[in-house]
Amino acid sequence: DTGVSQNPRHKITKRGQNVTFRCDPISEHNRLYWYRQTLGQGPEFLTYFQNEAQLEKSRLLSDRFSAERPKGSFSTLEIQRTEQGDSAMYLCASMILGTGNTIYFGEGSWLTVV
Amino acid sequence: AQSVTQLDSQVPVFEEAPVELRCNYSSSVSVYLFWYVQYPNQGLQLLLKYLSGSTLVESINGFEAEFNKSQTSFHLRKPSVHISDTAEYFCAVSLTGKLIFGQGTTLQVKP
Repeated sequence: DTGVSQNPRHKITKRGQNVTFRCDPISEHNRLYWYRQTLGQGPEFLTYFQNEAQLEKSRLLSDRFSAERPKGSFSTLEIQRTEQGDSAMYLCASMILGTGNTIYFGEGSWLTVV
Repeated sequence: AQSVTQLDSQVPVFEEAPVELRCNYSSSVSVYLFWYVQYPNQGLQLLLKYLSGSTLVESINGFEAEFNKSQTSFHLRKPSVHISDTAEYFCAVSLTGKLIFGQGTTLQVKP
């Protein structure tokens, strides 16, 4: 396994701009998760997919956030009209359903909104 | 609703001393329990997990955790820590396939 891959690893953007993060899960992992982590806090669940279907979205995921997994493989997380409060690390994770519930995380994508 | 409480935000300890990082969870049904470790500027790595069976689970690098259903706890322990164990440790519960994390405990190992 090559692991969960995320890019870009770091993104600095101006307030009001749109940003998109990409996640490539471990091959054949049918579940894919997005989490957000701010400094000194634990990761907070945002949303998850089973194959291409988005099964659950957190209340944290405002209308400015949208996530897709069009072919059940890679996923994108887009943030529109970024705000300074969006500054955080966005973590992607994946899992094969039914194999011990072990969720594997990527290295994360750091977003700084200035 | 599920929740996780890590009782200590920071735990300073000297090298080769024992350590315990405390985790309590709240759930009305059976859960799966996990400990993850996060080194600076990196993602989370699975340390160990409890799904069922023996209540004592071990990791390959000397950590162990014991599931205590009556006390709803899943404390992490290591008998002798190394400098390289300095990191952030997160306890998590899973019920419907997603993880709910605690706030994290920073383990600071001093020489």
